[in-house]
Amino acid sequence: DAGVTQSPTHLIKTRGQQVTLRCSPISGHKSVSWYQQVLGQGPQFIFQYYEKEERGRGNFPDRFSARQFPNYSSELNVNALLLGDSALYLCASSRGLSDTQYFGPGTRLTVL
Amino acid sequence: RKEVEQDPGPFNVPEGATVAFNCTYSNSASQSFFWYRQDCRKEPKLLMSVYSSGNEDGRFTAQLNRASQYISLLIRDSKLSDSATYLCVVLPAYGGSQGNLIFGKGTKLSVKP
Repeated sequence: DAGVTQSPTHLIKTRGQQVTLRCSPISGHKSVSWYQQVLGQGPQFIFQYYEKEERGRGNFPDRFSARQFPNYSSELNVNALLLGDSALYLCASSRGLSDTQYFGPGTRLTVL
Repeated sequence: RKEVEQDPGPFNVPEGATVAFNCTYSNSASQSFFWYRQDCRKEPKLLMSVYSSGNEDGRFTAQLNRASQYISLLIRDSKLSDSATYLCVVLPAYGGSQGNLIFGKGTKLSVKP
């Protein structure tokens, strides 16, 4: 079975721009979570979606938003990019809300 | 106090050595505990879940002490391929986001020939 997939793999943007990251979960998984990992740190939780509803939100500004589609894929949007948004953005899928999470390869975002 | 704390290392050990990583967590109501492994510039991968009774998977042994809010990972007979960053991960209790994994900063292990 295919694992979690994310696109694009790499992205370079400039300050003030907007970006959309995409994630497809493992088949049969209904929950998608998004994490941000800056260099030298562990991943930090941004959002969790389950059955197309937001079920959790981390301590991130309103510039960050997400949604989940009927096929359980998800998008993460970041507006008004800042240099500090440069990070590896990880998507994880799980069958249910508290089940084991499996991570995708991530999208590496660089903001110049 | 940080929610999950780990010694960042690095731990530099020779092949065949036994190495132990420790982790503490602050929320006594946390419900689930894990060790993830992350190779350089790759995604975290689940290594093992951690149970109060302790659990073993080959050369890897994980222990949880709820009273002390302490988690450990022991790696025996280290291999070169064990070189990676090991992330201690806690799933908080119900009430917040049920999928909000809380990660430590990670402990870097380097196994040398």
